[in-house]
Amino acid sequence: QVQLVESGGGVVQPGKSLRLSCVVSGFSFSRFGMHWVRQAPGKGLEWVAVLSYDGGNKYYADSVKGRFTISRDNSKNTLFLEMSSLRADDTAIYYCARDYCATSTCYYFDYWGQGTLVTVSS
Amino acid sequence: SSELTQDPAVSVALGQTVRISCQGDSLRTYYAGWYQQKPGQAPVLVIYGKNNRPSGIPDRFSASNSGNTASLTITGAQAEDEADYSCNSRDSSGNHVLFGGGTKLTVL
Repeated sequence: QVQLVESGGGVVQPGKSLRLSCVVSGFSFSRFGMHWVRQAPGKGLEWVAVLSYDGGNKYYADSVKGRFTISRDNSKNTLFLEMSSLRADDTAIYYCARDYCATSTCYYFDYWGQGTLVTVSS
Repeated sequence: SSELTQDPAVSVALGQTVRISCQGDSLRTYYAGWYQQKPGQAPVLVIYGKNNRPSGIPDRFSASNSGNTASLTITGAQAEDEADYSCNSRDSSGNHVLFGGGTKLTVL
């Protein structure tokens, strides 16, 4: 069955960097766009970034643009989120999520990981 | 507008029908997706597109759209439907995603 497993979260000081990973299984990873979505404690969902199935297109929320980088390794069924210049308001559970459409991007998220918590604090 | 607006909380009596709304200019162009999220769990897609349910989602969940408003209707709400419900759509650029703030549904 489809599984997405995030890792890499933890406590990090403001201004530092962190890399999140999302290993997927149960579907053809290279055919689907992938997203990162985050949720601050007690708050709503916030979209972070998307990467197309072939890696050709990537887009970021204004709140993270220039600081976060989304990438993928289709040979390893893995999605990444490189986060730099971290701030306290980046504290959240970070979910990777699959885009519903194959070989396209529909911006609906049909499978989600369990999330990994990133806490930015001194 | 670059945001989606939802009522913070809604309640429904067991077995009754409830409608949860989502408003935003982007909904004039793009259909909303709807997500159910229970405490400590990842969101689950319950509706996407005009009115489509992923496999495994009960048919008591349905969607409708009018102008800048998308609505999720639960017909015959069950106790297990108590959760937070969030909507999403693309923004005006078509390449970014907006989420509503979420609606906490209480089943009485």
